[in-house]
Amino acid sequence: IAGITQAPTSQILAAGRRMTLRCTQDMRHNAMYWYRQDLGLGLRLIHYSNTAGTTGKGEVPDGYSVSRANTDDFPLTLASAVPSQTSVYFCASSDSERGSYNEQFFGPGTRLTVL
Amino acid sequence: GQNIDQPTEMTATEGAIVQINCTYQTSGFNGLFWYQQHAGEAPTFLSYNVLDGLEEKGRFSSFLSRSKGYSYLLLKELQMKDSASYLCAAMDSNYQLIWGAGTKLIIKP
Repeated sequence: IAGITQAPTSQILAAGRRMTLRCTQDMRHNAMYWYRQDLGLGLRLIHYSNTAGTTGKGEVPDGYSVSRANTDDFPLTLASAVPSQTSVYFCASSDSERGSYNEQFFGPGTRLTVL
Repeated sequence: GQNIDQPTEMTATEGAIVQINCTYQTSGFNGLFWYQQHAGEAPTFLSYNVLDGLEEKGRFSSFLSRSKGYSYLLLKELQMKDSASYLCAAMDSNYQLIWGAGTKLIIKP
């Protein structure tokens, strides 16, 4: 693994189904993030984790949950998918101890369609 | 509230220079980032400014004025591969990034 990986690459999901998007990084970064990107809108933060064992809510957390059991993995779960959750989902990480700024590195994204 | 404004789309000619502007309003400020995103791909880091002034990195430069809440990204000697969306993001007092919707840059031969 080099950097951040996400799985699946794309998924079509029936409304009401449960879905977990996977994210793994091998850079030993403390902080990890989940964003959604929709046409005409900026990246919107769903949830974040500043360090293993802790998580926080972003701008649009409703309908999503996360866990951070270890440094490398940060899965995002949709408990009961709805069509408005159709989007491209990006996972990102940053080294919060690096210095005065936190450049974020992004995974390749998961394109999710909820029907 | 927190807000980032940047133009939706710009067109420029191969070999020319283009400036993409960004204005921001955030609760606290810990720096301004520019990212490049090609269609269907992930954003990649271009630049970071936290002090006023110009930061030059090859064909790309980024400028910041904290008093005006303003930044721009300057791309010189445009190449066709520079066709992409350019995302402006400001870091707030909680060290979270507030993102603009992105500027789609179209390069014509």
